[in-house]
Amino acid sequence: DSGVTQTPKHLITATGQRVTLRCSPRSGDLSVYWYQQSLDQGLQFLIQYYNGEERAKGNILERFSAQQFPDLHSELNLSSLELGDSALYFCASSVSASGDAVFGPGTRLTVL
Amino acid sequence: DAKTTQPPSMDCAEGRAANLPCNHSTISGNEYVYWYRQIHSQGPQYIIHGLKNNETNEMASLIITEDRKSSTLILPHATLRDTAVYYCIVRPRILTGGGNKLTFGTGTQLKVEL
Repeated sequence: DSGVTQTPKHLITATGQRVTLRCSPRSGDLSVYWYQQSLDQGLQFLIQYYNGEERAKGNILERFSAQQFPDLHSELNLSSLELGDSALYFCASSVSASGDAVFGPGTRLTVL
Repeated sequence: DAKTTQPPSMDCAEGRAANLPCNHSTISGNEYVYWYRQIHSQGPQYIIHGLKNNETNEMASLIITEDRKSSTLILPHATLRDTAVYYCIVRPRILTGGGNKLTFGTGTQLKVEL
């Protein structure tokens, strides 16, 4: 158990819908990261937050958005879902903005 | 970030040492070598990292060549539970606008067998 929690574990939805993935970082960690892992793209960095502020952006689509709340939990919002958005979504956290990241168990999203 | 090259797959007998190579010939002096592993769709797990000296922890040893162009992750006594995809990642020592992202390649699928 890494201490990073993600909910839900599994999510099945239809194309065009919107979903929210939630992440609670390990206790004491201020930075949160989101990664997407699909079969054809592998593990890809989406976005990083540090203490509520966006720190870095990767290959995150405009249909996706994220935020980190004052209690440090983070949410990843995915809208206008397409079949290709089916993937594992991992959240990670670290103590500082540059610390070693610890990953959560992931949320498996299936878009039908 | 420097690119890494790893063999796509390796086999290892249980109880033997697993030596996973990684080539990072374009690594700069300001970049760390990190190793993570992912066991069957679980979240990636940090193993070890180093800059230029060899490193050892309870999970593994990391041997970095003197020219830093390659490294080897050593699992001294592999078990069936070490079957996973192992990722070698190069990460800047000093982070700039790119943030603290990890760039994962395709990794090495290690299969530990009886």
